[in-house]
Amino acid sequence: EIVMTQSPATLSVSPGERATLSCRASQSVSSNLAWYQQHPGQPPRLLIYGASTRATGIPARFSGSGSGTEFSLTINSLQSEDFAVYYCQQYDNWPPYTFGQGTKLEIK
Amino acid sequence: QVQLVESGGGVVQPGGSLRLSCAASGFRFSDSDMHWVRQAPGKGLEWVAFIQFGERLKHYTDSVKGRFSISRDNSKNTLYLQVSSLRPDDSAVYYCVKSGWTAPGHHFDYWGHGNLVIVSS
Repeated sequence: EIVMTQSPATLSVSPGERATLSCRASQSVSSNLAWYQQHPGQPPRLLIYGASTRATGIPARFSGSGSGTEFSLTINSLQSEDFAVYYCQQYDNWPPYTFGQGTKLEIK
Repeated sequence: QVQLVESGGGVVQPGGSLRLSCAASGFRFSDSDMHWVRQAPGKGLEWVAFIQFGERLKHYTDSVKGRFSISRDNSKNTLYLQVSSLRPDDSAVYYCVKSGWTAPGHHFDYWGHGNLVIVSS
């Protein structure tokens, strides 16, 4: 099973600034990685797949990068609605599909 | 638009059973691979089960093998998860998820709002 590790657990950033979230895989997942956003009490929403392809309707301020074992999600010009929990998920080697433990992005 | 509406959750005693349902609309359900993903209270996401569009292929996470069964009725656009021999650590919100395919695997592009299952005596 591939273990996904996200860092930091909590990230405090001011609105309007940039946030960079990290995700590491225990073995290479190539570019087979997705990112999700989850607000409290809501289901997750797909942001990025293929490590860098934005899902339908996702604003351009969200970008993903990386391959192999190291990935990042960057959110530019943070808006109030961007403060949420973010998860990465690998789909290179399954079953099982595995998620990171999440990064909480909070307002500084 | 894509809609996934779960039902069938609730409070059940340890060792009990439930059948979760997910009514799908807004897309070609019979052509879509589907999953269940769960989230324990205050915890992260855990993939539970997968069923291929034609029901030929199914997979489960190890902790539910032999206890949970995923199925679908393409004539009713409905996904099911039969959960049995429930344990307290099965308590979670269970999400019905439609996936997109990007070889070699699935990303999860649409999620239902979830259905809470509480296993408690």
